[in-house]
Amino acid sequence: DQQVKQNSPSLSVQEGRISILNCDYTNSMFDYFLWYKKYPAEGPTFLISISSIKDKNEDGRFTVFLNKSAKHLSLHIVPSQPGDSAVYFCAASATGTASKLTFGTGTRLQVTL
Amino acid sequence: DTAVSQTPKYLVTQMGNDKSIKCEQNLGHDTMYWYKQDSKKFLKIMFSYNNKELIINETVPNRFSPKSPDKAHLNLHINSLELGDSAVYFCASTHNRGLGDTEAFFGQGTRLTVV
Repeated sequence: DQQVKQNSPSLSVQEGRISILNCDYTNSMFDYFLWYKKYPAEGPTFLISISSIKDKNEDGRFTVFLNKSAKHLSLHIVPSQPGDSAVYFCAASATGTASKLTFGTGTRLQVTL
Repeated sequence: DTAVSQTPKYLVTQMGNDKSIKCEQNLGHDTMYWYKQDSKKFLKIMFSYNNKELIINETVPNRFSPKSPDKAHLNLHINSLELGDSAVYFCASTHNRGLGDTEAFFGQGTRLTVV
């Protein structure tokens, strides 16, 4: 039973345009959501997070939106850069679970010139 | 200066062998984890230790035994390796305040191949 889903395995975006990566979750106990970026042969690197008490969090070119009623979050990257090409994982955790992360299966973003 | 470091990065071994993967963090975090990424790229938690105490133990075969000599180290020992154990294993750590609202820092991964 996959509690965090990323239905798009891959996404291709032109440099300078907006990249939108989507994530859906089913467990209503999740109250903290994170995005990680992963390059080949490296570990996931934390990118941005959002608490369930917010619906938006922004950090530079990265913005995460949370729609609790739809159990949906998205990561916007604008403008996209070639260095953003990586696999992006959505993750979620619940209070009291010792920050145990449940991950989606990832979306491979390719930013083209 | 690497925050979470794992050794080795690559490990190739025969079925039936026993092997260990080591993990160290220099972030002063009090909670450490082992995650497994299988061939389908699912990244799932295996274990978590808080101040040397086991706090999360997902459904993992008894052949896997984590050991935490101190809160900066969490090693993973695997007995009687099987082909299905081939995966990438990631160590991670958090400054866990018990609230869940904190990001995990990951090591670079150990690619285990059982032949």
